[in-house]
Amino acid sequence: KAGVTQTPRYLIKTRGQQVTLSCSPISGHRSVSWYQQTPGQGLQFLFEYFSETQRNKGNFPGRFSGRQFSNSRSEMNVSTLELGDSALYLCASSRRTGQGGDEQYFGPGTRLTVT
Amino acid sequence: DQQVKQNSPSLSVQEGRISILNCDYTNSMFDYFLWYKKYPAEGPTFLISISSIKDKNEDGRFTVFLNKSAKHLSLHIVPSQPGDSAVYFCAASGRSGGSNYKLTFGKGTLLTVNP
Repeated sequence: KAGVTQTPRYLIKTRGQQVTLSCSPISGHRSVSWYQQTPGQGLQFLFEYFSETQRNKGNFPGRFSGRQFSNSRSEMNVSTLELGDSALYLCASSRRTGQGGDEQYFGPGTRLTVT
Repeated sequence: DQQVKQNSPSLSVQEGRISILNCDYTNSMFDYFLWYKKYPAEGPTFLISISSIKDKNEDGRFTVFLNKSAKHLSLHIVPSQPGDSAVYFCAASGRSGGSNYKLTFGKGTLLTVNP
């Protein structure tokens, strides 16, 4: 079974631009979550989508948005890029376990550099 | 406010010995805990999880112990191998706000296994 795929893997943008990142979950997984990883803050939750609806949201400004399509693929968008948005953006798809929680499987990430 | 803490930024052990990685949490709503391993430039890889109804879960060389009263969990790797060298993240989820799909991560512990 193919894993989570993310495109592009690397991206360089200029301050003020906007960017769209794409994620394809593992086949059969309906939940997709996005995380931002930076050296100082570690892994921080952005938002989670299930059946095309945002089900959970982290503490990020409105410049960060996302959506999910009917085939469970997801995109996240960052508008008006700032230097501090430089980070590794990780997508994870989830499956419900029989033990009351979800196991999230991560893609390789998109390394965004804002100059 | 860091709800999941990994107080040791790094750990070095000899090949064949036991590696013990520790994690503390503060949010009593957390009821599902996971460990991930991460290599540079890759997404985190799921290792093992444990539900709050258990105090131990084992999978091959990896064992996770949960002490709910102390809000503490640990990951034991026996025997340690050089390929285990990576950053290990502890993560927790819970029914906060009615959703248990958001993972809260610690900042990671860099494990180095010396041959």
